[in-house]
Parts: sequence; structure tokens; C-alpha cells
Amino acid sequence: DTGVSQDPRHKITKRGQNVTFRCDPISEHNRLYWYRQTLGQGPEFLTYFQNEAQLEKSRLLSDRFSAERPKGSFSTLEIQRTEQGDSAMYLCASSGTGNYGYTFGSGTRLTVV
Amino acid sequence: AQTVTQSQPEMSVQEAETVTLSCTYDTSESDYYLFWYKQPPSRQMILVIRQEAYKQQNATENRFSVNFQKAAKSFSLKISDSQLGDAAMYFCAYAYNTDKLIFGTGTRLQVFP
Repeated sequence: DTGVSQDPRHKITKRGQNVTFRCDPISEHNRLYWYRQTLGQGPEFLTYFQNEAQLEKSRLLSDRFSAERPKGSFSTLEIQRTEQGDSAMYLCASSGTGNYGYTFGSGTRLTVV
Repeated sequence: AQTVTQSQPEMSVQEAETVTLSCTYDTSESDYYLFWYKQPPSRQMILVIRQEAYKQQNATENRFSVNFQKAAKSFSLKISDSQLGDAAMYFCAYAYNTDKLIFGTGTRLQVFP
């Protein structure tokens, strides 16, 4: 297993367009988390899944954001009608049974122009 | 609500010396997990060390150790024999059970030769 993979690494989009990011967790991890990180700040929690069930969504996650994890494997995060304020690094992490740490992907950097 | 506070935006240390990064947190839970993550300029978050709150013994990983003071809700990271490769952003994080990570705002560590 090569760790948590995120695709794409970078995305530049025009304001108002929709974007979708993908995260492939470590295969035996049943929990998957999405975070957003702006420059100079710590990551902020967006949402998380246990298997295919979305267990929690942050108040930061407006109606324009939606996340899915079909079949409890990879996850997608979609942002509709992007705004300049959505520009950030979007991080995905996964963890397994118990809590032995969370493994992060390299992130997707979104720039909305 | 749980919060994590890192009061040192920046720290610097000379190579081979020791540096301590501070972290305090707030929670009403008695059993939880604390983490230090390192984020180099490449941006991938790397787990440095993990502490389980029910364990009184401070965690140690090679040159990295923590001073966990549960009553004071303090969780500092000591880096011994600092190396140039230790330069990065360091984030303190809290998790209740297998819940989401809550991050502090980070401390930028510079290492001088």
C-alpha cells in the first residue's frame, strides 16, 4: 500500500465552476476525513466517513460542498459554484480501527480565479 | 467544544540543540489522544508522535519526546539534537476516541546550522 492518494495535486478553476477531488485511503482503513487548510493555518475539519456512512459534517461545509464515499473505499469531495474563498489546500486522511494515528495524503491545492 | 492552542507562531533552534514546542488544549473528556504532526514545505502532514491520555508515561520516538501534563492540559514536544531536516510547521492535534482531529494553529520551526 502506498499510503493515502489524492488527485489532482493542483486545480485552477474559474469562479462559478464545479470541481471534484478524489481521495484513495489506505485500503484497510475504515475511516476517511476531509480537511481544508489555508496558508499559515492549521487544517480545519470538513467531514468524515466510517465505511460508506458520513458521520459528521462541519458547519464550515456549506450547501455547495458535498462528499461521498461509495462502497466505503475512495471518496470524492465536490464543490459547486466555486468562490474565491474556496481557494485552499484540501487534505484527506484515513485511519483504521482504534486510534493509532491518521495518515494524510499530499493534498489538492485549489485556486479559484 | 474542544480547542487546541499553540502560542508560539515561530521558534528557532541551532543544529544539535534542543527545542521545546508548547501546546495546550481544552476538553471535558478523560480519555483521548494527542498528536504532534510535522508539515514540511512539501505540505504532506507526517505523524511525529502520539500520546494516549490514559497513559501516564510520556511518549518517546527517537529524538522526539513529549511532556504530557493531563491536569494542566498541556502537551509539549521536545526535539533533541535538532537537525536541518526538522525545519517545518509543527501542529499539535487532539482527538476524542476515533473522532476527527482538532488542530492548533501551528508553530514554524527554523533550524540554523
